[in-house]
Formats: sequence, C-alpha cells, structure tokens
Amino acid sequence: EVHLVQSGAEVKKPGESLKISCKGSGYSFNAYWIAWVRQMPGKGLDWMGIVYPGDSDTRYSPSFQGQVTISADRSINTAYLQWSSLKASDSAMYYCALGSGYYDYWGQGALVTVSS
Amino acid sequence: DIQMTQSPSSLSASVGDRVTITCQASQDISNYLNWYQQKPGKAPKLLIFDASNLKTGVPSRFSGSGSGTDFTFTISSLQPEDFATYYCQHYHNLPYNFGQGTKLEIK
Repeated sequence: EVHLVQSGAEVKKPGESLKISCKGSGYSFNAYWIAWVRQMPGKGLDWMGIVYPGDSDTRYSPSFQGQVTISADRSINTAYLQWSSLKASDSAMYYCALGSGYYDYWGQGALVTVSS
Repeated sequence: DIQMTQSPSSLSASVGDRVTITCQASQDISNYLNWYQQKPGKAPKLLIFDASNLKTGVPSRFSGSGSGTDFTFTISSLQPEDFATYYCQHYHNLPYNFGQGTKLEIK
C-alpha cells in the first residue's frame, strides 16, 4: 500500500531555516514524481514544484522559484522542501503528493508557523 | 502560466440536488484536467483525472466532462458527505496550477 508520511508541525521565527520531509513507501520511490503543494490558512491550493527522485530532476513554479528548494534522497525514499530564511508569509500547510500529472496519493500535511 | 478559473466560488445546495462546477483554462489544455475534493483539515483527494475518468472507488454520482478550455464537474445527487471544497487542476505544462476552489455548503 502506498503511503506518504510527512514530518511534523514546525514553529519557527522569521529568518530561520527549515527543511520538511515526505517519506514514501509501498511503491518504487525512484520512478514517480513528487509534488509539493502549499495551502495558506483559509485559502486554496498552490502548486510549488516537483522532484523526480530517480535523477533529482526538479522543476519549480515561477511563483516559488528562488524562494524554496525541493530535493530528494532516494537512498531513504524521502523528498524535502526547504527554506533558507523563513518569512511570516510562509506560514501554511504544506502537502507532498505523488504523481506525474494527477495526484493519487497525498501526505497528511505539515503545518509550518512562522512567528516572532 | 496557465490560469484556471473556477465558478462559482461557493455554492449552497441540498441533499439530493444536482450540482455543477465549471473550470476554465486560460489556454487549450486538451483533457489534462483533474478534480479534487478537500474536506476541512484533510489532504485533497483525487476524484477525476483526464477530465472525465473516475478514479477507482469514487462513487458514480461524480462525473466530469470537457476538453480544450472549458470543463465541468457534476455531482448528480448530493450526499451529506459531499459537502466540501472542490478544486480543478491542469497538467498540460508546468506549473500545474489549481483553480481557486469551489466551496459546496449545505443549504
């Protein structure tokens, strides 16, 4: 059975760095794209970017290019989303999702709160 | 980027009603269009992919149609568990943007 398990909720201060994770199981991790999707409080879904763990090919939405880094470590079946300097506006729920175009499986979400 | 415009943004309906949501793409996306359901505090769930293909296990009261730039999502007879927010999403080319969502509420 396919599972995507995300790391837990985080509370950070502006300017701090953060890396959240998404561990896949039950399928061939290297062979499928993983996407990251943001949902700000009370708002809709924002597609951020994708990574192909097989060769670490990564693509970003222009809205998020340069703002975050998406990566994957295929040796431990884990994808990552990271920030080098958080802003209050990064406070949101972040989901990872599995698929090349449509997302059949989703992580449970990771709530990131950035507050001074 | 391709922009996805859903309408309406919100909708009040009763159990048993037929409801339709539309999604318009800013350019031709063929049939690369998906529909998701999201309930509060939960991750989205895929209902329909490639405009009209029902994901296995999704009730047949859900359906989708369209191609090119104009798409519709229909629930033929609303059930209590269908009150949620629905999103369209394209995957014609990157970025694979979502529509802004349609919140379906109980009348």
